[in-house]
Amino acid sequence: AQSVTQLDSQVPVFEEAPVELRCNYSSSVSVYLFWYVQYPNQGLQLLLKYLSGSTLVKGINGFEAEFNKSQTSFHLRKPSVHISDTAEYFCAVSTPLQGAQKLVFGQGTRLTINP
Amino acid sequence: EPEVTQTPSHQVTQMGQEVILRCVPISNHLYFYWYRQILGQKVEFLVSFYNNEISEKSEIFDDQFSVERPDGSNFTLKIRSTKLEDSAMYFCASTNTGTGETYEQYFGPGTRLTVT
Repeated sequence: AQSVTQLDSQVPVFEEAPVELRCNYSSSVSVYLFWYVQYPNQGLQLLLKYLSGSTLVKGINGFEAEFNKSQTSFHLRKPSVHISDTAEYFCAVSTPLQGAQKLVFGQGTRLTINP
Repeated sequence: EPEVTQTPSHQVTQMGQEVILRCVPISNHLYFYWYRQILGQKVEFLVSFYNNEISEKSEIFDDQFSVERPDGSNFTLKIRSTKLEDSAMYFCASTNTGTGETYEQYFGPGTRLTVT
């Protein structure tokens, strides 16, 4: 079974500052990794994903994440945040097996951008 | 751009009543999912559905829950006798393949279920 831990439930950051949202996972098999964003009163939108290949993946809205297999981490980063980045961010894992593979989510990190 | 839609956006029901939450997945997608998010908690998997049958279900998905794809477009979640603890946001998701190149699950906007 897989599990995901997002160590920070809330992260306040000033506008134009860099941010890192931490995600660690546990799995006995190889994984696919995802970051989803949830804006207020909206559904989940995919920011980026790691399936294989380069460990540094770039996503939408200037976000990127790095897969570190030895540390079982997939931290999300952005060099300069905007007010519009205020949202809840969810890290999730799935397994590269045939079939309808479920996503297992972390607890979420609420990112608040202060002017 | 194609999207997953869900109706209603908000459903209020009394304890013990049956509710049906409706979803229209993206038209060429083959795999369908329901997740729920209790207020302030993480998103939890409920059930996955492929080829007109359940692929996997979680411990949450007990006999009170059922899913159906009654026609070529809708995907429904039924709760037969709602309990207070069923109050949550329910998300539908779909994807075109389980082992595909994109592997992205597309989520609907959710239905907020309030059981009183």
